[in-house]
Amino acid sequence: EPEVTQTPSHQVTQMGQEVILHCVPISNHLYFYWYRQILGQKVEFLVSFYNNEISEKSEIFDDQFSVERPDGSNFTLKIRSTKLEDSAMYFCASSAGTGTKSGNTIYFGEGSWLTVV
Amino acid sequence: GQNIDQPTEMTATEGAIVQINCTYQTSGFNGLFWYQQHAGEAPTFLSYNVLDGLEEKGRFSSFLSRSKGYSYLLLKELQMKDSASYLCAVTSGGSYIPTFGRGTSLIVHP
Repeated sequence: EPEVTQTPSHQVTQMGQEVILHCVPISNHLYFYWYRQILGQKVEFLVSFYNNEISEKSEIFDDQFSVERPDGSNFTLKIRSTKLEDSAMYFCASSAGTGTKSGNTIYFGEGSWLTVV
Repeated sequence: GQNIDQPTEMTATEGAIVQINCTYQTSGFNGLFWYQQHAGEAPTFLSYNVLDGLEEKGRFSSFLSRSKGYSYLLLKELQMKDSASYLCAVTSGGSYIPTFGRGTSLIVHP
């Protein structure tokens, strides 16, 4: 069964450093997303991406964050100058986006644990 | 904005049935998702309701009442592996991006 894959599974970084999280969405999907989940808290939407541009973003997704689709398969989240409060699980997700019920279903990757020290 | 409310924690016995409720307040409701999340893992899709009524999928069923802003997830023949968080998420307005509730932690004991 197709799945969203993410790397790295866990990354430890020093405060102030830049981090890039990598994702390979499901191959025929058109919409891509980043969510995060701080330990013990709810899953929070960061950004969605369609047709090589950001389609929606939340208040969390400020200038510290950026996304890119550098080639036909990868989708990355860059966090500049990381802060302690950026420590969280970051989930990549994708959906087919066909406008149907199944097309709107979002499938999540296994996540990348980011620890900022 | 959206307001999604679920119980924080529930316990049930192996082999039993449990119903996890979710209420929401939103304008321009589109649909409601249920996801299962084991600790430290990704949310796994369970169901997506857009119309009123009950949808059954194996041991899991999901119900929606749009007029009441209410949904429930019904789990039958509970197994120990069903111990997990169950996340209710709603899409609304012009967006099909789900907003998640805090989740319900279900503990299944022998």
